[in-house]
Amino acid sequence: LAKTTQPISMDSYEGQEVNITCSHNNIATNDYITWYQQFPSQGPRFIIQGYKTKVTNEVASLFIPADRKSSTLSLPRVSLSDTAVYYCLVGANNAGNMLTFGGGTRLMVKP
Amino acid sequence: DTGVSQDPRHKITKRGQNVTFRCDPISEHNRLYWYRQTLGQGPEFLTYFQNEAQLEKSRLLSDRFSAERPKGSFSTLEIQRTEQGDSAMYLCASSLESGRGSYEQYFGPGTRLTVT
Repeated sequence: LAKTTQPISMDSYEGQEVNITCSHNNIATNDYITWYQQFPSQGPRFIIQGYKTKVTNEVASLFIPADRKSSTLSLPRVSLSDTAVYYCLVGANNAGNMLTFGGGTRLMVKP
Repeated sequence: DTGVSQDPRHKITKRGQNVTFRCDPISEHNRLYWYRQTLGQGPEFLTYFQNEAQLEKSRLLSDRFSAERPKGSFSTLEIQRTEQGDSAMYLCASSLESGRGSYEQYFGPGTRLTVT
């Protein structure tokens, strides 16, 4: 499984765009990049998944450069309720699709 | 609410006691996963079921741990002879495996276990 590196924490203010970058230098050809969000005392929640280029949904955008050695989760116009831990996961479509979480990035959104 | 539910939400037990947790997945989901999360860390995979078959177990799952999913519906996770190191949040997740492969899993709120 490819190891991921992401900032331990980030601060932002309401209304700003937040970009969280994840490094995965050893990503394999079959690996997908997936991001989860977790609020305190709740289970993680799937945000977005991509393989290459750009993916956008109603919550976020995921930018993946051509070499796929990193990815950036972009949250537009964050609010206080976006304060959470964000996990970057990289893995192939294995038999069980078991998730391997790292330490995540703690995002604090301030008023 | 049609999400994943877990019971109980909190459990305090004394060292050496047995505990059992229950997970009810989203009804049409054929896969069910158990994870463990300690404070400040990301969740760690424990085991998963496809329907009623337990297909993978992490080495984190010692012989004191057992999981079942009778009839491919709800699942139980039992810890025998609990130790203080078992204190953690136990998370259940479910997904629908359609053959395409996806990392989208739906997590429950977790059961927080405290072993005193």
